[in-house]
This record gives sequence, structure tokens and C-alpha cells, in this order.
Amino acid sequence: DGGITQSPKYLFRKEGQNVTLSCEQNLNHDAMYWYRQDPGQGLRLIYYSQIVNDFQKGDIAEGYSVSREKKESFPLTVTSAQKNPTAFYLCASSYGSGTGVLDYGYTFGSGTRLTVV
Amino acid sequence: AQKVTQAQTEISVVEKEDVTLDCVYETRDTTYYLFWYKQPPSGELVFLIRRNSFDEQNEISGRYSWNFQKSTSSFNFTITASQVVDSAVYFCALEDTSYGKLTFGQGTILTVHP
Repeated sequence: DGGITQSPKYLFRKEGQNVTLSCEQNLNHDAMYWYRQDPGQGLRLIYYSQIVNDFQKGDIAEGYSVSREKKESFPLTVTSAQKNPTAFYLCASSYGSGTGVLDYGYTFGSGTRLTVV
Repeated sequence: AQKVTQAQTEISVVEKEDVTLDCVYETRDTTYYLFWYKQPPSGELVFLIRRNSFDEQNEISGRYSWNFQKSTSSFNFTITASQVVDSAVYFCALEDTSYGKLTFGQGTILTVHP
């Protein structure tokens, strides 16, 4: 079955450490997204990519980095510059903008819960 | 800039009560899409509905119904005869059709008591 796989489900980071969250999709979607969820604040966009080898900053990109070397993969690195990384991270994919009524929107992964220890 | 506001942070009801979750949005786009998602305790977002800005017909799906009013920029969600399994966080979201990005409201925590 097609879908999005995020790993790991739980991740613990020490102060000053970089960690990478994995996101893989087999839906043949062009666009992929990373969202951060904090209690009471909904989901906020970190980075998004509409095509391989291209990505754009979202609303809260500081302290994060991404790559899009393959269509199926969009890993997110939480760097030591991110001062408050404890949150729930969700990856999503879609056929991208402008696809009209044929596109039923987004598919979300099951998330990674990151905690700083 | 796009904005989505969900007025209720938390709602608590007793089973079989009807409950309405409010959603108000702001956008300068003439074409846009609105969504509702359900997030159970497991964390994954479950798609409920996607509505095109040109389609203002209300929609009903089982116990769920949605009222889209473009004049007031609202897209409210009603659960009829609520059940304990409806307990979750519900998000309203607006799609930026230029870039395919979603802007989410802050979510409404719904608790249905037996």
C-alpha cells in the first residue's frame, strides 16, 4: 500500500546535537512538506519542496535544514541552532500546487516526537 | 498572508450531543481549498473533507456535516450525536494554491464523555 513512512517514532536529542528525521513516500507525489506541532499552536510549516533538488523555507525554518535528492525522500535535520526543538514533527506529501480537482490533497505520516534531554 | 482561526480551544460534551467546531479564515486568493482533519491520540492526521472555494454547498457525510459560507469566510464542522470515538483534536486548514502549502488553525480539542 502507498503511504508515507516517518522514522523514528520517538527521538531523543542531547543539547548541541544534530538529529535527522526521516520521511519516505511511495505515492509518486511531487511535493513534500515538514510541519511542526506544538500544543495549542496547530501545525506550522518548516520547509517544503515541490520538486527534486529544490526546496523553500516555510514559516519557521530557522534551526532546520532539509534535502531533496530523491523524489521519495525528504529528510529533516534539526540542528543545534534550533533552541527549542521538543515538538511533534509531521511530514506530508501531495501532487503539488495547481493540480486541480484531481488532487485530493495531502497524505500525512504518523509523525516523530522529538524530545531534548 | 493567510490565516485560519478556530475559536474554540477545547470543547467537552456528553455522548449523543451535537457539537459544532468553528473555523474562520482569511485569504486574498479567489481560488482556494479548505480542509478539516482529525488527529486522534496516535498523532496521525486523518483527512475528513476538502472543499473548493467555488462550491458553497453544504456537505453531509454520516454524522458529519460542514457549513461553508464564503460571505463570512467560515467553514464550520458539526458532529451530530457525538460518540466517544469522536474525541480528538480537529484542525481546519487553508491551502495556498500557488505553492500547495497548508495553513492550519490552532486546533480544537474535543472530548466526548460517555
